Amino acid sequence: GQSLEQPSEVTAVEGAIVQINCTYQTSGFYGLSWYQQHDGGAPTFLSYNALDGLEETGRFSSFLSRSDSYGYLLLQELQMKDSASYFCALDRGSTLGRLYFGRGTQLTVWP
Amino acid sequence: NAGVTQTPKFRVLKTGQSMTLLCAQDMNHEYMYWYRQDPGMGLRLIHYSVGEGTTAKGEVPDGYNVSRLKKQNFLLGLESAAPSQTSVYFCASSFHRVNTEAFFGQGTRLTVV
Repeated sequence: GQSLEQPSEVTAVEGAIVQINCTYQTSGFYGLSWYQQHDGGAPTFLSYNALDGLEETGRFSSFLSRSDSYGYLLLQELQMKDSASYFCALDRGSTLGRLYFGRGTQLTVWP
Repeated sequence: NAGVTQTPKFRVLKTGQSMTLLCAQDMNHEYMYWYRQDPGMGLRLIHYSVGEGTTAKGEVPDGYNVSRLKKQNFLLGLESAAPSQTSVYFCASSFHRVNTEAFFGQGTRLTVV
């Protein structure tokens, strides 16, 4: 089976940098994804790490270390609109239904 | 381009009633999924399909059935609804390859009383 652990809540102020960690246990996977979900909305894709290292997309970066079974999402120059839930998800491949989601981290950005 | 469309958006059922949730995608995706989301539980996979005419069970399949008769549609059925099935249901689709994003519908809020 698989397991994913991420903090349930994180708070920060506008303009700050926040890191949301994700630790996992799995026998094998293709990559680690991150999704954002605003209250009442649909999850939307942010990033995918297939290899170890950092992937940067604008203000957001994601990191994966397979040797440490660990990844993180880094959000820079925080804005109020970044207040949302953030989910890490393991890509298990097609025979196991692809994405296995963590329970999510609620990020609140204060002015 | 509509993406992934779910119908209905809201529904209230009485215990024991049946219903079907419809998911339609217009991106020619091979893979389609049904998730349920409950407070503090993240997204849990109910059933999924890797192509037309194929379905498979996810982590929480009990009480649900699915069908994928056409590539663009994935139906989720509740034969006899229970209060424990009160949840927000999300359909998603993706291409047949790794390192690709899943696109989600806007969700169906189902309440079983």
